[in-house]
Amino acid sequence: DSGVTQTPKHLITATGQRVTLRCSPRSGDLSVYWYQQSLDQGLQFLIQYYNGEERAKGNILERFSAQQFPDLHSELNLSSLELGDSALYFCASSVEPLVKSDTQYFGPGTRLTVL
Amino acid sequence: GNSVTQMEGPVTLSEEAFLTINCTYTATGYPSLFWYVQYPGEGLQLLLKATKADDKGSNKGFEATYRKETTSFHLEKGSVQVSDSAVYFCALTGGGNKLTFGTGTQLKVEL
Repeated sequence: DSGVTQTPKHLITATGQRVTLRCSPRSGDLSVYWYQQSLDQGLQFLIQYYNGEERAKGNILERFSAQQFPDLHSELNLSSLELGDSALYFCASSVEPLVKSDTQYFGPGTRLTVL
Repeated sequence: GNSVTQMEGPVTLSEEAFLTINCTYTATGYPSLFWYVQYPGEGLQLLLKATKADDKGSNKGFEATYRKETTSFHLEKGSVQVSDSAVYFCALTGGGNKLTFGTGTQLKVEL
C-alpha cells in the first residue's frame, strides 16, 4: 500500500458525459501528478500540482482539467467523454519535486470505461 | 525530448532463471532513473531507483546500474520466482518532475 488513495476504482459512463476522479496523496506529500495508461499510448503524464498550484502540464486534452484543494487532495475532471478516453488513470504523489531524487508513489488507479 | 526504450515482451522464463530487461534512455542533463512494477490488476509500485551515474539501485533481489556512457539502466535478477510475474516499466525524470515511461515489459515466470 503506497498511501495514495483514488476513488472510484471503476467508472463506466457514456460518450458525452462528464466524470470526476479523486485522489488523496500520501500524508505529508505536497505534489500530486496525474497519468493516463492506455493500450495505444502507454503511460502518459497529464498534469502536476504542487501545494495547490499547477506546476507542469503534459499531454492533457482541453476537455480535461484538474485542481488541487487546500487539504491537498486533487480531482481530475474529464468532460465530453469519447470512446478513446477509456483508460486507467493514475494519481501519484511526492514530497519535494524540486529535489532530484524525489520519488513518486502511485495510487491503485481508476479504470474508466466509456461506452 | 526525453524518451525511454525497453525491450519488447512478453519475456517468459522458468523459475530460478536469470532475468535481464534492457532499458536505454535519451535525456538532456542528468536524469534520475527508475524501475516500476505493475502486478495484475494493481497500480505501479516503485521497485528501485538511481539518481546519478554508476549508482546501483537494488530491491527484492532486483538490481539496475545507472550507466551514463551507454545511457542504460538494465534490470537484472539472479533467480526469478513465479511471484515476479508482472509488467516492468523503466522511467526517468529529467528537466522537470514528470516521469517519462517506457512501454513496459511483461514478464511471465513458469514453474
